[in-house]
Amino acid sequence: GQQVMQIPQYQHVQEGEDFTTYCNSSTTLSNIQWYKQRPGGHPVFLIQLVKSGEVKKQKRLTFQFGEAKKNSSLHITATQTTDVGTYFCAGRSNYQLIWGAGTKLIIKP
Amino acid sequence: DGGITQSPKYLFRKEGQNVTLSCEQNLNHDAMYWYRQDPGQGLRLIYYSHIVNDFQKGDIAEGYSVSREKKESFPLTVTSAQKNPTAFYLCASTPGASTGIGTEAFFGQGTRLTVV
Repeated sequence: GQQVMQIPQYQHVQEGEDFTTYCNSSTTLSNIQWYKQRPGGHPVFLIQLVKSGEVKKQKRLTFQFGEAKKNSSLHITATQTTDVGTYFCAGRSNYQLIWGAGTKLIIKP
Repeated sequence: DGGITQSPKYLFRKEGQNVTLSCEQNLNHDAMYWYRQDPGQGLRLIYYSHIVNDFQKGDIAEGYSVSREKKESFPLTVTSAQKNPTAFYLCASTPGASTGIGTEAFFGQGTRLTVV
C-alpha cells in the first residue's frame, strides 16, 4: 500500500542547533501537510505544500516539497525549547491522508 | 468557536467491556477520521467517513466499530474483541474528500483509554 516514510524517528539537539526531518512517499502526492504535536497534545496543522519544488518559510521553519512531489523536508533553524514535540508529515493521495511516523525533537538539557 | 470535541478525556475500561468514545464537530466538515496513537508512535487510521451514513475501514479496524448518523458526530466503539485497546485515540475532520487547497485536518484533544 501507499506509504510515507519519515526519518529520523528521534533527533536530540542542543538548544540553538538546527533540526531537520525528511519524508519520502512511495507514490506521487497531490500535496503534503506538516503538523506539530506537543507532548500530551494533539497534532496541529502547520502548513500545506502543493506545488512541485515549493519552498515555504514560517519564521525559523523552512518547508520544502520535492520536484517529483514524492518527498518533503522540514528544517528548523536555531531550535528553541518551544520547538519540542513530534513533527509529522501527511501526504495526500487518492483522497487519503497518509501519515509519516513522526520525528520527535528533543532538546538536550 | 468552531472545533472538534472529544469526550471523555480519560477512560478506563475493564476487560471484556465495550466502550464508546465521542467525537463531535461544528466545523461543517464532511469527512471525519479516527486514529490510534501508541506511545512514541505515529497515527494509525482506524475508520474514516467521507459522508453521512457511509464509513470505511482503515488500517487497523479490527475490534472497533463506528457510526455516522449525523454529519457532526462520529462515535467510535472499542469492543471486547480489541485485545490491546490501551492507547491515545484521536478524532479528526477535514472539509471534504477532495484533494483541493485547505483540506488540513483538525484534531480533537484526544481520549486516553486504559484497560484495567
